[in-house]
Amino acid sequence: AQSVTQPDIHITVSEGASLELRCNYSYGATPYLFWYVQSPGQGLQLLLKYFSGDTLVQGIKGFEAEFKRSQSSFNLRKPSVHWSDAAEYFCAVANILTSGTYKYIFGTGTRLKVLA
Amino acid sequence: NAGVTQTPKFQVLKTGQSMTLQCAQDMNHNSMYWYRQDPGMGLRLIYYSASEGTTDKGEVPNGYNVSRLNKREFSLRLESAAPSQTSVYFCASTEFRVRGNQPQHFGDGTRLSIL
Repeated sequence: AQSVTQPDIHITVSEGASLELRCNYSYGATPYLFWYVQSPGQGLQLLLKYFSGDTLVQGIKGFEAEFKRSQSSFNLRKPSVHWSDAAEYFCAVANILTSGTYKYIFGTGTRLKVLA
Repeated sequence: NAGVTQTPKFQVLKTGQSMTLQCAQDMNHNSMYWYRQDPGMGLRLIYYSASEGTTDKGEVPNGYNVSRLNKREFSLRLESAAPSQTSVYFCASTEFRVRGNQPQHFGDGTRLSIL
């Protein structure tokens, strides 16, 4: 069965420091991969997505992610974190169902705290 | 452009009461989903609708029913609310294309407490 693991429940970084959030997936075929961000009281907003092509994907708000097939990973990175990046981050994998749509599987999330 | 709109935003129910959570999207998407979000558990799929007129169970469907009223609207009903259904509920939609990785678009959620 497909699964997504985000091993870090909480991460704290200082403003201006670099950030890497880990995501490992279990999926047989080439996966559709996503990173979402959720601010308190809000829904999920798409940061970036990957299906094929260049394994380094650029997203919004200065985020990027690198797909590594050999490690089944899709880690999210940002060179310099801003206080406004404090939020919860979700990694997700999608696969196509026979019913003719996608099924998305989410990790349990990583909550990012940014110190001033 | 409203995207995905959920109503109500907050609701408090007593055990055994019923209610319907409403969701509407204005992006002409064919697929819609209902999730619940609980601390430390990520998002769990309750029901989904691949297209107008179809609905399917997700991983946690017990205690819920859904209706895909038309292409825009997908409602979630709790027939007899239980405290275990206290959660934040999210509706999402996407446009399914065989050769494309389409993301989901989410509403802002309904925060439901059952006493």
